[in-house]
Amino acid sequence: GAVVSQHPSRVICKSGTSVKIECRSLDFQATTMFWYRQFPKQSLMLMATSNEGSKATYEQGVEKDKFLINHASLTLSTLTVTSAHPEDSSFYICSAGFGTVNQPQHFGDGTRLSIL
Amino acid sequence: AQKVTQAQTEISVVEKEDVTLDCVYETRDTTYYLFWYKQPPSGELVFLIRRNSFDEQNEISGRYSWNFQKSTSSFNFTITASQVVDSAVYFCALSEAVYGGATNKLIFGTGTLLAVQP
Repeated sequence: GAVVSQHPSRVICKSGTSVKIECRSLDFQATTMFWYRQFPKQSLMLMATSNEGSKATYEQGVEKDKFLINHASLTLSTLTVTSAHPEDSSFYICSAGFGTVNQPQHFGDGTRLSIL
Repeated sequence: AQKVTQAQTEISVVEKEDVTLDCVYETRDTTYYLFWYKQPPSGELVFLIRRNSFDEQNEISGRYSWNFQKSTSSFNFTITASQVVDSAVYFCALSEAVYGGATNKLIFGTGTLLAVQP
């Protein structure tokens, strides 16, 4: 069964709307979660590393004020796309590890975000 | 810098053919991990294998096999007797070791779209 749950799976909304995506680790604690973005027919690009109890670490070129990340508990990280625009339309996917040395990350099922 | 190259953008085979997906990586670390993930059309990522840099033993799991060669920085993936259900995008990924036990980010290749025709 799934070890990482991501919600919602699909969002369609108007330009200017803020959208929150949740990533939950099931049955394990994840001190670190990762947020990736995937444009159609492209690879997954890391956006940020979400650290429980501290600020997220953003990759170069990712606007932290645009993509707000909150990791308030050991099982939940949220990504909020603020004032979303059509260019933010993408597939967003989170992952979490068990916290032991480089155990395989498990991914959520992703969120397809479409901004009209 | 870390980099993963999957030179094959798309591969099309007929069912029951064997197919090999290539992966070449770059890293300065001596300790690292390599992964393969499958992404079917529905979008979710399915973990297939993890290999650490000290284990060059090839691995076989059913119709899947992996060939890790440090000398050529390659970690190729072979599917024997391919099936239509194997149709998906396959990603190779690299993670450098993080001392202290933390989980590290993955650097993905650009993926190979495998289409298996009936």
